Amino acid sequence: EDQVTQSPEALRLQEGESSSLNCSYTVSGLRGLFWYRQDPGKGPEFLFTLYSAGEEKEKERLKATLTKKESFLHITAPKPEDSATYLCAVYPSGGGSEKLVFGKGTKLTVNP
Amino acid sequence: GAGVSQTPSNKVTEKGKYVELRCDPISGHTALYWYRQSLGQGPEFLIYFQGTGAADDSGLPNDRFFAVRPEGSVSTLKIQRTERGDSAVYLCASSPGMTDTQYFGPGTRLTVL
Repeated sequence: EDQVTQSPEALRLQEGESSSLNCSYTVSGLRGLFWYRQDPGKGPEFLFTLYSAGEEKEKERLKATLTKKESFLHITAPKPEDSATYLCAVYPSGGGSEKLVFGKGTKLTVNP
Repeated sequence: GAGVSQTPSNKVTEKGKYVELRCDPISGHTALYWYRQSLGQGPEFLIYFQGTGAADDSGLPNDRFFAVRPEGSVSTLKIQRTERGDSAVYLCASSPGMTDTQYFGPGTRLTVL
């Protein structure tokens, strides 16, 4: 069964304190891995897509990386406005379905 | 441009009632998805449309749930004989085609009393 596990469940940082969020996955084959940001009461907002091991993508203070078994979302010098839940999702290649399989998310709080 | 829109934003209903949730995808997107998100969980897949047809409805929990997309654009998720366990946020997403990035709407929060 395709599965996505995110850790930690919650993370508190001080403004400027860099850290990483982890997303580990077990799938029959990977067509793509996605990172989304979700603010309270809102839908997930797309951040990155990664397709193959070794790939990296950056956007402002965020950098996503991918290996064969996991992805990391690195947050450099975070600001309070980076506080949100970060969701990881995978597109498995088996089964012929186009559904995304999501993890439970990491709730990030950045204190000023 | 306009993103995915969903109506209503909130719906409160009584156990046993029928509800309809609407999704208006990004213009030109052929693929449309419904997910359900419970508190503290990630979104869970319900059903996927490519054009007008349901290409995969394996995530629908039972036959009380049904979705349509008659003209290949707007979709409606229909829930019959609602139960308290149906309470959740129902998210809609659309993408330009298969395996493309999915863009989500703001969701409809359904509360069944």
